[in-house]
Amino acid sequence: DQQVKQNSPSLSVQEGRISILNCDYTNSMFDYFLWYKKYPAEGPTFLISISSIKDKNEDGRFTVFLNKSAKHLSLHIVPSQPGDSAVYFCAASENFNKFYFGSGTKLNVKP
Amino acid sequence: NAGVTQTPKFQVLKTGQSMTLQCAQDMNHNSMYWYRQDPGMGLRLIYYSASEGTTDKGEVPNGYNVSRLNKREFSLRLESAAPSQTSVYFCASSEQNYGYTFGSGTRLTVV
Repeated sequence: DQQVKQNSPSLSVQEGRISILNCDYTNSMFDYFLWYKKYPAEGPTFLISISSIKDKNEDGRFTVFLNKSAKHLSLHIVPSQPGDSAVYFCAASENFNKFYFGSGTKLNVKP
Repeated sequence: NAGVTQTPKFQVLKTGQSMTLQCAQDMNHNSMYWYRQDPGMGLRLIYYSASEGTTDKGEVPNGYNVSRLNKREFSLRLESAAPSQTSVYFCASSEQNYGYTFGSGTRLTVV
């Protein structure tokens, strides 16, 4: 059974609006979380991270929120741009050991 | 700075054939990983190597073997390819407390 789940396979958002991508995990021992972005025919690239000692981390237009009690994290992109259209993966690990990835959410930002 | 280099980029195999996927990193990272990406399944860990000389199974190791040849190189071998191994394979490397750097992937088709 997958330990990290992204229940929305796709998301469509208008340019300039907020994109919210969600991720749930089952292992309460996970303490480090990453978001990756992937374009077709390329490897995933690191976007933003958060450790369990925080509940929010911000980097420009990207903010990740962590709710440990709900075992839920989300990625907010504000404002969304057409170049943000990609597949987004969340990943989680315990003690920065091997990471478990979700199945990905395909974001389409419409001009 | 090449980062993580995977070869080949594309490969078609017949059922029962063998092949080795090569991966090399030039970032002096200790840890290296092999993932496969399948539609709706995200990235699943096949094998990883926490340091030179060590290898461990991930989530889906059956049908694969690995070799950590030295600190730079981590190869993945399919001894007898099966259609279920048709996938996109990604190699990654990391250093403690930093995210993964991924290669651009190998698209493998087994017919």
